[in-house]
Amino acid sequence: DGGITQSPKYLFRKEGQNVTLSCEQNLNHDAMYWYRQDPGQGLRLIYYSQIVNDFQKGDIAEGYSVSREKKESFPLTVTSAQKNPTAFYLCASSIQGVGYGYTFGSGTRLTVV
Amino acid sequence: GQQLNQSPQSMFIQEGEDVSMNCTSSSIFNTWLWYKQDPGEGPVLLIALYKAGELTSNGRLTAQFGITRKDSFLNISASIPSDVGIYFCAGRNFGNEKLTFGTGTRLTIIP
Repeated sequence: DGGITQSPKYLFRKEGQNVTLSCEQNLNHDAMYWYRQDPGQGLRLIYYSQIVNDFQKGDIAEGYSVSREKKESFPLTVTSAQKNPTAFYLCASSIQGVGYGYTFGSGTRLTVV
Repeated sequence: GQQLNQSPQSMFIQEGEDVSMNCTSSSIFNTWLWYKQDPGEGPVLLIALYKAGELTSNGRLTAQFGITRKDSFLNISASIPSDVGIYFCAGRNFGNEKLTFGTGTRLTIIP
């Protein structure tokens, strides 16, 4: 079955360490997105990519980095420069040019101790 | 970035009650979407609306695309325990791939 997979589901890291969150989709979607969700909060856009080897900053890109070397993959690195990295991270994908919504992954909960 | 205003922010209801929530924007959209997020999971698309005035149902859920194109409404009839979660609206315009999300409505069912 086609879908979007985020791994791992739970991630623990020590403060000051970089950590990479995985996002893979087999839906043949062109666009991919990373969102951050804090407890009781809405979704805030970190980065998005509409095509391979190209990506744009969202509203809260500081302290994060991404790459899009393959259409299927859009990993997010949370760097030590991110001051409050503990959050729930959601990856999504969509078809270009069609008025459908996003397909979301099941999320990764990152806890920095 | 812009976020759409959803109300109410949270709802506490008893099983069997009907639920109404809405989403408003300062700008118009060509597409309105409603998502539900279960605790600890990613949002799942419930209903998509593509035309002003459109009324679309999905089981016990009914959503409407406001005539002004600046709002949308979601109703849930005869709520059941599995309706618990956060409901997000989202708007989209042609030529813009990004969705603008609402602030969310958290639905809790009281035993």
